[in-house]
Amino acid sequence: DTAVSQTPKYLVTQMGNDKSIKCEQNLGHDTMYWYKQDSKKFLKIMFSYNNKELIINETVPNRFSPKSPDKAHLNLHINSLELGDSAVYFCASSLDIRQGRNEKLFFGSGTQLSVL
Amino acid sequence: SQKIEQNSEALNIQEGKTATLTCNYTNYSPAYLQWYRQDPGRGPVFLLLIRENEKEKRKERLKVTFDTTLKQSLFHITASQPADSATYLCARASGDDKIIFGKGTRLHILP
Repeated sequence: DTAVSQTPKYLVTQMGNDKSIKCEQNLGHDTMYWYKQDSKKFLKIMFSYNNKELIINETVPNRFSPKSPDKAHLNLHINSLELGDSAVYFCASSLDIRQGRNEKLFFGSGTQLSVL
Repeated sequence: SQKIEQNSEALNIQEGKTATLTCNYTNYSPAYLQWYRQDPGRGPVFLLLIRENEKEKRKERLKVTFDTTLKQSLFHITASQPADSATYLCARASGDDKIIFGKGTRLHILP
């Protein structure tokens, strides 16, 4: 039983295309996140949602649009992909961050995005 | 802005010895620091959390310390094994509902 699952594992696409990455958690958590890990392995937060409400948008280009249909799902849609978007994208979840309970993150296995 | 730094990109340790990794933070002390392990092609996995008012925390062969004077956390693996080879990430709460990560230290345990 995978706690945080994201699909696809690998995504290879041409510059200018639009793509989506899906994430689901079965831990009953209220808060979900998207992190980006670049080629130097630096893990940087992009967005977080708490119970379907956006609470962090870390100066990410408008081409990136997260969507949370319910608190167990947080998808990431990327428009007009650029070479610099190539990275590994990780979904994560935690207990309710607004209640100060976000003490540990559970991560998915990552989506390696390659833009050609 | 809050920062967290792991100064060693890579560390080689002989099997059986104690590996010590360093994490430094800037500005005010976070309520807690966390340590994660990341294997190639996988997401980070939570290992330990240490709170500001705790000096030391242990879990099996792992030990974490928190020194608010030095603004530093040390992560120790005793009796290290090749299976401990991985990247270890330090993380802190930034005070605005974010958890931010250091760049990680790649640990190699040499047989």
